[in-house]
Amino acid sequence: GAVVSQHPSWVICKSGTSVKIECRSLDFQATTMFWYRQFPKQSLMLMATSNEGSKATYEQGVEKDKFLINHASLTLSTLTVTSAHPEDSSFYICSASKTGGRGQYFGPGTRLTVT
Amino acid sequence: QQQVKQSPQSLIVQKGGISIINCAYENTAFDYFPWYQQFPGKGPALLIAIRPDVSEKKEGRFTISFNKSAKQFSLHIMDSQPGDSATYFCAASMTGTASKLTFGTGTRLQVTL
Repeated sequence: GAVVSQHPSWVICKSGTSVKIECRSLDFQATTMFWYRQFPKQSLMLMATSNEGSKATYEQGVEKDKFLINHASLTLSTLTVTSAHPEDSSFYICSASKTGGRGQYFGPGTRLTVT
Repeated sequence: QQQVKQSPQSLIVQKGGISIINCAYENTAFDYFPWYQQFPGKGPALLIAIRPDVSEKKEGRFTISFNKSAKQFSLHIMDSQPGDSATYFCAASMTGTASKLTFGTGTRLQVTL
């Protein structure tokens, strides 16, 4: 198997607060994890790539100080949305790839609503 | 050159019919082509994948056809069922990019009774 979990599955927060989303690979070690953002009826937009023990690589246009990514172990990566605003409301999805593998295995996603 | 173009944007197929989704790419360095299925409110699930050294791969009712010279690949869903109604994404990656995927724009498939 290749199971990836995310927590929480949905979260509502007030504008100005920070929110942390966890991504875990449950039955494999993930050297690399990815964070995506998806708007309704659109494709996945890669935000950043994270490797265990090193700094994340952010895609162009993604604010690294706003979307903090930590990949502390081979099974856990976290995304913290700092000082969230309503425009940050979206569906955030993480994925993980097995060491030496090619495919990505996705988590179930986290629906973030900022009020 | 990094784009993967996917068509159609949406597709309606009758139960029992064949659903066909097409993708095209430009970058010949791509060497891994997966398809993902996504239901509303869920994360994408890996459906089937192919490498360019084979022209076809079949898993159950799902088949990928790959045309290296045309730089095109397609997903065929045989005997389509209402439970197949979902959004399908093709993707591509290349060796040395740590599994980084370039996604197509997605196809919303609806299978009617």
